[in-house]
Amino acid sequence: SYELTQPLSVSVALGQTARITCGGNNIGNKIVHWYQQKPGQAPVLVIYTDSNRPSGIPERFSGSNSGSTATLTISRAQAGDEADFYCQVWDSNTAIFGGGTMLTVL
Amino acid sequence: QITLKESGPTLVQPTQTLTLTCTFSGFSLDTSGVGVGWIRQPPGKALEWLALIYWDDNKHYSPSLKSRLTITKDTSKNQVVLAMTNMDPVDTATYFCAHTLTAGQLGYWGQGTLVTVSS
Repeated sequence: SYELTQPLSVSVALGQTARITCGGNNIGNKIVHWYQQKPGQAPVLVIYTDSNRPSGIPERFSGSNSGSTATLTISRAQAGDEADFYCQVWDSNTAIFGGGTMLTVL
Repeated sequence: QITLKESGPTLVQPTQTLTLTCTFSGFSLDTSGVGVGWIRQPPGKALEWLALIYWDDNKHYSPSLKSRLTITKDTSKNQVVLAMTNMDPVDTATYFCAHTLTAGQLGYWGQGTLVTVSS
């Protein structure tokens, strides 16, 4: 079965750029979505179809996908960005989530 | 405005069947391309996708749980129901339902409902 690999945690200094990766076999050939989940809340879609932002998501959030890695980039990180982030793809009519990455803003 | 809300028991005994209802508004499940899915999250753990039903009644299930899951829709009531048989303590989790489009993104989520499996 298809697997997605994310780092357990990523730290970023306030105002700097955070990059969260999502690895998978030829993931560049798949469509990747990203979700942000704050404690006690439901996940929120922040990037869909590799690099598109839903309305209401700041331009500081961007995404890319190529080869074996998809990347969520958060520019000018803010304290309010601290959360768990999950990537997600579809494979053989099955939705697959990565294990999640905890983002800490220092 | 799209909203979804999960409802069902908060406590289930082992071996029982869990039945959860997702009641939604702001969209119709007879619109081409629209689907509603279920996702769960054990305490402190990652998201796990369970099942999805589309506007055309096409259904998809997690391969590891397929034998235990049934997803159905009632378009007239704007509801999607998930049944999970033979519940076990490891099934303790927050269960979410979510709206999806054909690209597969889960754009709108319910608040989730915590289900505890215990005798």
